[in-house]
Amino acid sequence: EDKVVQSPLSLVVHEGDTVTLNCSYEVTNFRSLLWYKQEKKAPTFLFMLTSSGIEKKSGRLSSILDKKELFSILNITATQTGDSAIYLCAVRNNDMRFGAGTRLTVKP
Amino acid sequence: DTEVTQTPKHLVMGMTNKKSLKCEQHMGHRAMYWYKQKAKKPPELMFVYSYEKLSINESVPSRFSPECPNSSLLNLHLHALQPEDSALYLCASSPGLAKETQYFGPGTRLLVL
Repeated sequence: EDKVVQSPLSLVVHEGDTVTLNCSYEVTNFRSLLWYKQEKKAPTFLFMLTSSGIEKKSGRLSSILDKKELFSILNITATQTGDSAIYLCAVRNNDMRFGAGTRLTVKP
Repeated sequence: DTEVTQTPKHLVMGMTNKKSLKCEQHMGHRAMYWYKQKAKKPPELMFVYSYEKLSINESVPSRFSPECPNSSLLNLHLHALQPEDSALYLCASSPGLAKETQYFGPGTRLLVL
């Protein structure tokens, strides 16, 4: 059965800290791995990763995929209170399967 | 136009009502999706349409009936729902079914009384 597992499930940090969120997966016919940020409503797209070892960066966020070890990490540096959200990892094969998410709380 | 829109934003319905959720995108995407998301849970895929044809139905009860009238529109018809069907219903679209990113609409928050 396809699985997407995120860790930690919950994380509380202070502004300025750096965080690393983890996503491991076991799926058939892997096509891509996506990271989303979800605040009050719909998930908003952050990154799509298809190749191992190539880091994607957007401001203070970056992500990388390891297709051999079947995991991805999402890094956030110099965290701000506006980074507080649920971060969802999803893997695309024939459909799309989400992990349970990591709830990040950034305190002032 | 680079967004997915959904109407209504909120919906309250009784168990005997019939209602419809609507989703629209004008990005030329050929794949559209319905997801259900309960509180504090990740989205769960319900249906996938590709080129206006139902591609995936993830064992969803028949009280949910999807419809894709054209490549820009996706509806979800609701009939005889149960209180446990209360959730956030998310629509998404992507250029195709392969490995492209899915873009989500804002969702419809449904309450079944």
